[in-house]
Amino acid sequence: GNSVTQMEGPVTLSEEAFLTINCTYTATGYPSLFWYVQYPGEGLQLLLKATKADDKGSNKGFEATYRKETTSFHLEKGSVQVSDSAVYFCALSGGGHGSSNTGKLIFGQGTTLQVKP
Amino acid sequence: DARVTQTPRHKVTEMGQEVTMRCQPILGHNTVFWYRQTMMQGLELLAYFRNRAPLDDSGMPKDRFSAEMPDATLATLKIQPSEPRDSAVYFCASGLAGTASYEQYFGPGTRLTVT
Repeated sequence: GNSVTQMEGPVTLSEEAFLTINCTYTATGYPSLFWYVQYPGEGLQLLLKATKADDKGSNKGFEATYRKETTSFHLEKGSVQVSDSAVYFCALSGGGHGSSNTGKLIFGQGTTLQVKP
Repeated sequence: DARVTQTPRHKVTEMGQEVTMRCQPILGHNTVFWYRQTMMQGLELLAYFRNRAPLDDSGMPKDRFSAEMPDATLATLKIQPSEPRDSAVYFCASGLAGTASYEQYFGPGTRLTVT
């Protein structure tokens, strides 16, 4: 079945460091890929998404490229801030399109990012 | 700014008591999801609905959990009787199905503690 694997955390960085959080997936068909972020005490928020191969999702300085050949969707940011400290979830949905896509998400286990001043 | 709301935000109860959690999805969304988050298990999908009909509740312990959508603006998750192992944060999310891809919008969660 479909699955998502993320690098284990916590990831600890100094402010302004470069961030990479690895995410790989296993899926049939053509899934959509997402990164969600969860700040302490809050629900998950969509950070970015990509719906087809070679698409790049970007938001708030974060970006990830849908790589079908390596089944990956790694999250990157050039310069992290203390306010980026959170848990990051990679997820996939579907594989189908239109009404056949239920939108059910398969999540990775989450990666905690700690950014120190 | 449309958002998913959940009540209560926090609930402390004793083992054996009934717990009801409520969710108001974003107006116009036709899919609702219930998740449970714990440190040990991470995020688990409990159940989801499309157009108010349950599509999958295989993630729920059937003997004590039930999920319903009495109308399009309300989803409920009930635990009866509650047990200490049910302590977790319960999230509701909603989305608009029928497109090639759509995201889920999460509520702030209900933190449940069963003593």
